[in-house]
Amino acid sequence: EPEVTQTPSHQVTQMGQEVILRCVPISNHLYFYWYRQILGQKVEFLVSFYNNEISEKSEIFDDQFSVERPDGSNFTLKIRSTKLEDSAMYFCASSPSGSPRNEQFFGPGTRLTVL
Amino acid sequence: DAKTTQPNSMESNEEEPVHLPCNHSTISGTDYIHWYRQLPSQGPEYVIHGLTSNVNNRMASLAIAEDRKSSTLILHRATLRDAAVYYCILKGNTPLVFGKGTRLSVIA
Repeated sequence: EPEVTQTPSHQVTQMGQEVILRCVPISNHLYFYWYRQILGQKVEFLVSFYNNEISEKSEIFDDQFSVERPDGSNFTLKIRSTKLEDSAMYFCASSPSGSPRNEQFFGPGTRLTVL
Repeated sequence: DAKTTQPNSMESNEEEPVHLPCNHSTISGTDYIHWYRQLPSQGPEYVIHGLTSNVNNRMASLAIAEDRKSSTLILHRATLRDAAVYYCILKGNTPLVFGKGTRLSVIA
């Protein structure tokens, strides 16, 4: 069964450093998403991506964040200058379309720890 | 986004059916009712969704009230692997908005 994969599973970085989190969505899916979950809190939407551009973003997704689909398979989230409060689980998801009828398939997540 | 209300926690005995309720009195006519779950230390996992009619799949059943203001996720025989946080989410042309969900504990 196809699945969303994410690398690395755990990333430790120093405050102020740049990090890139990687995701490989399901191959025939067209919509891609990033969510985050701070320890003990809700899963929060960050950004959705379709047709090589951002289709929607939340208030969390400020200028420090960017997303890219550099090739036909990877989908990345870059945090330009990490802060302590960026420590969280980051989940990538993909969906065949943006229709409310379609489910989203989530990856296992990357745990980001900012020291 | 329309909001949902779920109990914070529920408990079930193993191999017993579980009914997880969700209220969504402000649902709009085009919102689908989605259920996801999150097992410990894992990403959210799709469970089931529906619009108006009851739905069944290999994981669960979804019973939707006639006025669509509430729904119930039914796990027919809870197993220890079903222990998770279950989220009821109204889905329109918007991203998924996760609430706190219901934490289901399954007792052996």
